[in-house]
Amino acid sequence: DAKTTQPNSMESNEEEPVHLPCNHSTISGTDYIHWYRQLPSQGPEYVIHGLTSNVNNRMASLAIAEDRKSSTLILHRATLRDAAVYYCILRPPDGSARQLTFGSGTQLTVLP
Amino acid sequence: DTAVSQTPKYLVTQMGNDKSIKCEQNLGHDTMYWYKQDSKKFLKIMFSYNNKELIINETVPNRFSPKSPDKAHLNLHINSLELGDSAVYFCASSQTGRQRPQHFGDGTRLSIL
Repeated sequence: DAKTTQPNSMESNEEEPVHLPCNHSTISGTDYIHWYRQLPSQGPEYVIHGLTSNVNNRMASLAIAEDRKSSTLILHRATLRDAAVYYCILRPPDGSARQLTFGSGTQLTVLP
Repeated sequence: DTAVSQTPKYLVTQMGNDKSIKCEQNLGHDTMYWYKQDSKKFLKIMFSYNNKELIINETVPNRFSPKSPDKAHLNLHINSLELGDSAVYFCASSQTGRQRPQHFGDGTRLSIL
């Protein structure tokens, strides 16, 4: 299974953009890149996913490198509520295993 | 409107007891999961059911037995609880296909005395 590597922790100031990196150098051509986050005392929450093109939604943006060996989750204006563990997860195409394989993620601290 | 709800939220019990955790989803999804998050915060899949059929059964002791009475419910029964079973157990659900996201409950924190 392709593996992801993320920094253990990052800090950001409130109302500033945050760029959370993820390396996945052994990604296969058909793996999708998903991001989830886990707020304190809650279950993981889906954030965004993509395959090749950059993606935007109301929560965040996902920038995918041209060679797909890395990606970056972008929170445009961090709020205190964004303090969470962020997980970058690779998912095979439909028809393969359906579970999410979580790594250790990045603990994001947002400073007021 | 809670999408994925688990009960109880906290469960404190003694070693050797049998306990159950219930999970219900009102999203109309056809696949449900149980994950375990240990003290080091690693989240790992335990079981997955699709349309009431078991499709993923990771290396989990036989003391853990999932049951899905219908597509909206997936319960987890644990026999002869051990100290190492202390963890947070998360239920999740999703719709099959096309990279659909999984929706998680808020977890059941199980503490074994």
